[in-house]
Amino acid sequence: KQEVTQIPAALSVPEGENLVLNCSFTDSAIYNLQWFRQDPGKGLTSLLLIQSSQREQTSGRLNASLDKSSGRSTLYIAASQPGDSATYLCAVSNNNDMRFGAGTRLTVKP
Amino acid sequence: DAMVIQNPRYQVTQFGKPVTLSCSQTLNHNVMYWYQQKSSQAPKLLFHYYDKDFNNEADTPDNFQSRRPNTSFCFLDIRSPGLGDAAMYLCATSRGQGLGYTFGSGTRLTVV
Repeated sequence: KQEVTQIPAALSVPEGENLVLNCSFTDSAIYNLQWFRQDPGKGLTSLLLIQSSQREQTSGRLNASLDKSSGRSTLYIAASQPGDSATYLCAVSNNNDMRFGAGTRLTVKP
Repeated sequence: DAMVIQNPRYQVTQFGKPVTLSCSQTLNHNVMYWYQQKSSQAPKLLFHYYDKDFNNEADTPDNFQSRRPNTSFCFLDIRSPGLGDAAMYLCATSRGQGLGYTFGSGTRLTVV
C-alpha cells in the first residue's frame, strides 16, 4: 500500500525567503504526483501536476520536481509571501486512487 | 466555470441521525471520489466511482455508503453518525487514470 510522507510537518519563514517542501512515497509505480494547497477549513486547490514521465513543472513562483526512482518530490517556493501561508499537501496517484501526505503547514511572517 | 460543488458547506447533525452530503460536477469526469479529512491529518479515501462501478476501500466503515445516480452527482450517506465521524468531507473528480484531480470546497460535518 502506498505511503506518502511529508517533511517538515510545519515550517515558519520570514517573508521573501525561498523554501523547499519535501514529499516521499514508497511505491514508485505512480501515474502522477500532485501538489495541493489547503487554507484553514477549506477544500484543496491544485497547484501543480507532474506526470510520471515528467521531471518538473513550474507555475509562477512555484516549481515542483519529481524523482520517481527514488520516490521523492520537492515543491520549491520562491520569494515567499504572507499570502503563501497555508498547508501544502502532496498526493500520488496509482490506478484510480490518490494517496495523500499529512501536509506541511507553512507560515510566512511579514 | 466548470467545477466541483459540495453542499452544504457546513452540516450539523445529531448523533445517530442519518445525514447525506452532496457533490455535483460540471466537468463530465468519469471518476468521483469521497475523502474524509480529520483535523491536521491527510485526506483518507473512503470510496470512488468509475462511471457506475463502485469501489469501496477495505477499511471504510459500513456506516458510510455512497450513491451516484448519474455522471454529475454523487452522494455520501452516513447511516448513524458518531462523534468520531465529525470531519471535513471532500469530493473530487478525475477523467481517469493518470490524470489530475479536481476538488470541491468540502463539507464540514459536526456531530452533536
